[in-house]
Amino acid sequence: DAKTTQPNSMESNEEEPVHLPCNHSTISGTDYIHWYRQLPSQGPEYVIHGLTSNVNNRMASLAIAEDRKSSTLILHRATLRDAAVYYCILLSGNTPLVFGKGTRLSVIA
Amino acid sequence: NAGVTQTPKFRVLKTGQSMTLLCAQDMNHEYMYWYRQDPGMGLRLIHYSVGEGTTAKGEVPDGYNVSRLKKQNFLLGLESAAPSQTSVYFCASSYNTEAFFGQGTRLTVV
Repeated sequence: DAKTTQPNSMESNEEEPVHLPCNHSTISGTDYIHWYRQLPSQGPEYVIHGLTSNVNNRMASLAIAEDRKSSTLILHRATLRDAAVYYCILLSGNTPLVFGKGTRLSVIA
Repeated sequence: NAGVTQTPKFRVLKTGQSMTLLCAQDMNHEYMYWYRQDPGMGLRLIHYSVGEGTTAKGEVPDGYNVSRLKKQNFLLGLESAAPSQTSVYFCASSYNTEAFFGQGTRLTVV
């Protein structure tokens, strides 16, 4: 199974951009890169996903390396509400949604 | 549009008792999942379903059973609860891309 590697924790100042890295060197051609986050005491929520091209939505941007072996989730202006655990997950076909340990993002006011 | 609804939200069980957790979704999603999350830990997949009438084991299936008789419902059963099953249980549904999660069921087994 393709796996991802993320830093255990990161810290950011409020209102500054945050770049959350994810390595997935064994990614297959059919794997989509998904990002979820879990705010304290809540269920996870979808953030963004992509295959090859960079993606933008109202929550974040996803930058995918040309060789697809890594990706970066970009929060353009971190707020206190963005403090959460961020998960990078590879999905294809009928593979189930399985969470790793993720990156715990702390936002400092 | 309720999304994903979990019932109950809280429950305390005695060791050996049985119970069923209900997950209901109104988005006509094919995929449904049950996870558990222990304090300070990540989510672990218990069982999942890729469509009505189908179920499959996840990472930690022992001690749990599931059923998906109707597309909109995914039931998680504990036949004989153990203290090790004290956890927060999350249900989710998806259709290929974005998954939606319920608010969780906090289960304590004493």
